[in-house]
Amino acid sequence: GENVEQHPSTLSVQEGDSAVIKCTYSDSASNYFPWYKQELGKRPQLIIDIRSNVGEKKDQRIAVTLNKTAKHFSLHITETQPEDSAVYFCAASRFFGNEKLTFGTGTRLTIIP
Amino acid sequence: DTEVTQTPKHLVMGMTNKKSLKCEQHMGHRAMYWYKQKAKKPPELMFVYSYEKLSINESVPSRFSPECPNSSLLNLHLHALQPEDSALYLCASSQGYRDAPYEQYFGPGTRLTVT
Repeated sequence: GENVEQHPSTLSVQEGDSAVIKCTYSDSASNYFPWYKQELGKRPQLIIDIRSNVGEKKDQRIAVTLNKTAKHFSLHITETQPEDSAVYFCAASRFFGNEKLTFGTGTRLTIIP
Repeated sequence: DTEVTQTPKHLVMGMTNKKSLKCEQHMGHRAMYWYKQKAKKPPELMFVYSYEKLSINESVPSRFSPECPNSSLLNLHLHALQPEDSALYLCASSQGYRDAPYEQYFGPGTRLTVT
């Protein structure tokens, strides 16, 4: 089955700086890669996703890049703000409507004011 | 309506109790999921229902029994749980068919404590 590794497990960044979180996956059939943000005591919320036919996707301060050959994808947050502090999970799945999401182990991001 | 709702928010039960968790969505999604999340860990898939049929069971113990009465509702029946089953139980839904947008929307979860 799929295995997703995520690094780093914790990340502290000065407000205004950039943060980068990296994930690798094992199943070459995976072709959908979402990122979720989970604040303490709240539900995971999708912040951005990418499909295997795209190399990069950007949404305001958030971007995701995908390298299919190397089987890794990364989340980039620019101009970080205190409200970006949360746990971020990457995930991978096959692009069918009823397939499972396999999550990475999570990164606790802390933005230092 | 882009929301998945779950009840109850919190549940405390003894090891001999029987209880149920409920999940509801009105987005017309045809795939629904149960995940279990322990503290400081990622969500782990338990079950997937596709078009009201169980399509994936991740080798979950039989003390957890899912049910999908209709396309909007998903239940998780609990019986004879162990203290290690204490966790946040998350429900999610997605459109559920090939080539459709695949985003999974999560409910707020039920915080379960087994005493």
